[in-house]
This record gives sequence, C-alpha cells and structure tokens, in this order.
Amino acid sequence: QSVLTQPPSASGTPGQRVTISCSGSSSNIGSNYVYWYQQLPGTAPKLLIYRNNQRPSGVPDRFSGSKSGTSASLAISGLRSEDEADYYCAAWDDSLSGLFGGGTKLTVL
Amino acid sequence: QVQLQESGPGLVKPSGTLSLTCAVSGGSISSSNWWSWVRQPPGKGLEWIGEIYHSGSTNYNPSLKSRVTISVDKSKNQFSLKLSSVTAADTAVYYCARAIHDSSGFLIDPWGQGTLVTVSS
Repeated sequence: QSVLTQPPSASGTPGQRVTISCSGSSSNIGSNYVYWYQQLPGTAPKLLIYRNNQRPSGVPDRFSGSKSGTSASLAISGLRSEDEADYYCAAWDDSLSGLFGGGTKLTVL
Repeated sequence: QVQLQESGPGLVKPSGTLSLTCAVSGGSISSSNWWSWVRQPPGKGLEWIGEIYHSGSTNYNPSLKSRVTISVDKSKNQFSLKLSSVTAADTAVYYCARAIHDSSGFLIDPWGQGTLVTVSS
C-alpha cells in the first residue's frame, strides 16, 4: 500500500472536467512539492505537473495541479480520448525517500 | 537533451542478484542532478528504488535498502543498480531516470524506456 493515496480509478466523458486526488502526510505533501506523471499504455511515465501546479513546456493548459495541506489534486478539463492513461502523484519525503501514489486509471467513456 | 537507456539481463534466477546499467547521453552524469531507479511490477504502480549523486551519495527506499546498491561510473557516464536476494516479487519493468532536486522536491525527468526483468528459475 502506497504512502500517497490515490483513487484507483476515475472516469469522464469527452469535454468533461475530472479531478484526481492524492493524499499524504505532513512529512511529504505537507512540506514538499507534489509532482504528477502521466503513463500511457506501454510507455514510460511522462512529467505532467511539477512544483504543485507548474506545467512543463508542451503540456496543454487543460491539465492543472493544486495542493492544500497534505493533499493535492490533478484536474483535467475538456477531457479528450487521448487523456486515457494512468496518472501518478509523487512527492519527496523528509525521511530522504521518494514516494509515488498507487496510481489512478483514467477512463474516457 | 539528456537521454537514458537501461541494459541488463531480462531473466534472473530466484535468490540471485539483479544487475542493470543506465547509460546517460546528451549530458554529463557529473552535472548537478541525481540519477534514479524506479520499478513497476506488471499491472501495478510505480515504486521508487533509490538514487545516486555523482559524488557517490545515495538515498534508498527503506523497504529495499538492505538489498539495493546503486553506483556511478563517471568515466563511462553511466550508473548501475544491483538488487540482491531477488524473488518473484521483484519481477518488474525497471526504469532509470534523472532526478532534479530543489529545496522541497524532486522532479523525475526524463525517463528511460524501461526494461523488463523477470525473476524465474
């Protein structure tokens, strides 16, 4: 069981807005940045959001991140079929260890 | 543009040692970055294994620390992973990646393509 808790699944129809949550503790999300990764089937993870809410170059502004206390969220607006993927949150823990959430499988209905 | 490529045996016997190497191209392994290993069992989520700085400093996942060794070879611009006493539970796709640390986080990017290692007799 992962230290960072995500819902195992999420779904939405094209055009909808969906959110994926990530819950941690004071030693990780509560005191460090949150990162989000997108993993398309059969590929390596790709950085989607860094420092809680920053998008790397090339990531559409349909993707946004936020953090409050020991929880974080990834929001995807204007859902598209190509957004169907696994999404992982990540954070550094003050014990000098990296952490990933268990992952959320997003289905576009 | 930094690129990473994993290499090593795809099959390891139970109780043996898993050994992988990650070749770094397009940048120096002696830059101000950490170099990481992450694994993903089939159909499951990502697990951070550990990381190394070019100075040799390391951080390891506490649950794997007793079995993991990450080393760096600056002359070959590559770093390596050794995981001892493997069992079927260590079967996974193993990714190497660059980790950029700042004061409050670690950004993992880019990633290698990953290599599947199966533990079986």
